Amino acid sequence: RKEVEQDPGPFNVPEGATVAFNCTYSNSASQSFFWYRQDCRKEPKLLMSVYSSGNEDGRFTAQLNRASQYISLLIRDSKLSDSATYLCVVNERYNNNDMRFGAGTRLTVKP
Amino acid sequence: DTGVSQDPRHKITKRGQNVTFRCDPISEHNRLYWYRQTLGQGPEFLTYFQNEAQLEKSRLLSDRFSAERPKGSFSTLEIQRTEQGDSAMYLCASSRTSGGAYEQYFGPGTRLTVT
Repeated sequence: RKEVEQDPGPFNVPEGATVAFNCTYSNSASQSFFWYRQDCRKEPKLLMSVYSSGNEDGRFTAQLNRASQYISLLIRDSKLSDSATYLCVVNERYNNNDMRFGAGTRLTVKP
Repeated sequence: DTGVSQDPRHKITKRGQNVTFRCDPISEHNRLYWYRQTLGQGPEFLTYFQNEAQLEKSRLLSDRFSAERPKGSFSTLEIQRTEQGDSAMYLCASSRTSGGAYEQYFGPGTRLTVT
């Protein structure tokens, strides 16, 4: 079983749609969680950290379920510019030197 | 732009040659990480430094790979006797270790092609 698993997609949605991605992780002792966004042939960019209580940043909402060991990302009112690969990242240690990346979920938003 | 920078952005080399990549982290970040990413996969951890000390190396980092961060600022990653399987994007990231902000910020990467 992979340490961090994501549905690879692709997810093809129309502009304005709401789309949700899930990610599961295997290490129950994992400490912190992030979503990164990666455009084609570019570096990953931090989208948001995921807090235990859940957090929202504009159209993006992240949730963490420690009991079931999954993380989710919800994108509301999707824009063409949201088209990218979304990487789920799990840190297995407190001091953040053991980041495990999922393979990513590809999203294409169409007009 | 005060982000992470990497040089070169692209490198094509013949099998058996040595290559060296450079990473300049965000100036106030004391942690520096190297990752490798192949098509369709997420980045895989290779090694990391805190200041000038190399604190961890992945088992992915064979003897042909060596990384340094001599003054705790920029870092180099050298691959000796390159193989076709080394073709990948090599990403560098940096982070702080204080103030609770441990997020890693990535450079643009060096795309290596071994022919």
